[in-house]
Amino acid sequence: AQSVTQLDSQVPVFEEAPVELRCNYSSSVSVYLFWYVQYPNQGLQLLLKYLSGSTLVKGINGFEAEFNKSQTSFHLRKPSVHISDTAEYFCAVTGIGGSQGNLIFGKGTKLSVKP
Amino acid sequence: SQTIHQWPATLVQPVGSPLSLECTVEGTSNPNLYWYRQAAGRGLQLLFYSVGIGQISSEVPQNLSASRPQDRQFILSSKKLLLSDSGFYLCAWSVYRERNTIYFGEGSWLTVV
Repeated sequence: AQSVTQLDSQVPVFEEAPVELRCNYSSSVSVYLFWYVQYPNQGLQLLLKYLSGSTLVKGINGFEAEFNKSQTSFHLRKPSVHISDTAEYFCAVTGIGGSQGNLIFGKGTKLSVKP
Repeated sequence: SQTIHQWPATLVQPVGSPLSLECTVEGTSNPNLYWYRQAAGRGLQLLFYSVGIGQISSEVPQNLSASRPQDRQFILSSKKLLLSDSGFYLCAWSVYRERNTIYFGEGSWLTVV
């Protein structure tokens, strides 16, 4: 079984500052990793995913994440945030070869970008 | 490109009343379909998934049921709603070649009063 821990429930930052949203996972098998973003009262939008290959993954809206197998982490970063990045961000993991739709989600990190 | 439509967007229902949430996917055939629930402070929970017409798997026992009458249609139902059924319900899909990647609809807010 897999589990996901998002270490910060809320992250306030000022506009144009860098941000890192932390995600750690545990799994007894190899995994695929995902970050989703949820704007208020909307569904989840896929930001980026790690399936294999390069451990640095680039996504939409200028976000990137780095898979670190030894530290079982998949932290999300953006060098300069905008007001429009204010949203809730979810890290998710699924074990390779696992049952359909078995995405395990973290509890989310609310990013608040202030002017 | 593929799109997913989910309705109604918002629903307020009394305890004991029935529920029907519908979801359709366009632009793809034979998708895997999913219903998730997002309750306040509890993250996302997979409720049902379907790999084909009439094929439903339930992940958690509950007061809800799901049906897939057509290839790209997925319905979430209840005969009698409970207060604890309140939450944000999300339909989602994936395709065979990308089974590991799930795409979500806009969601439906259900408030049971």
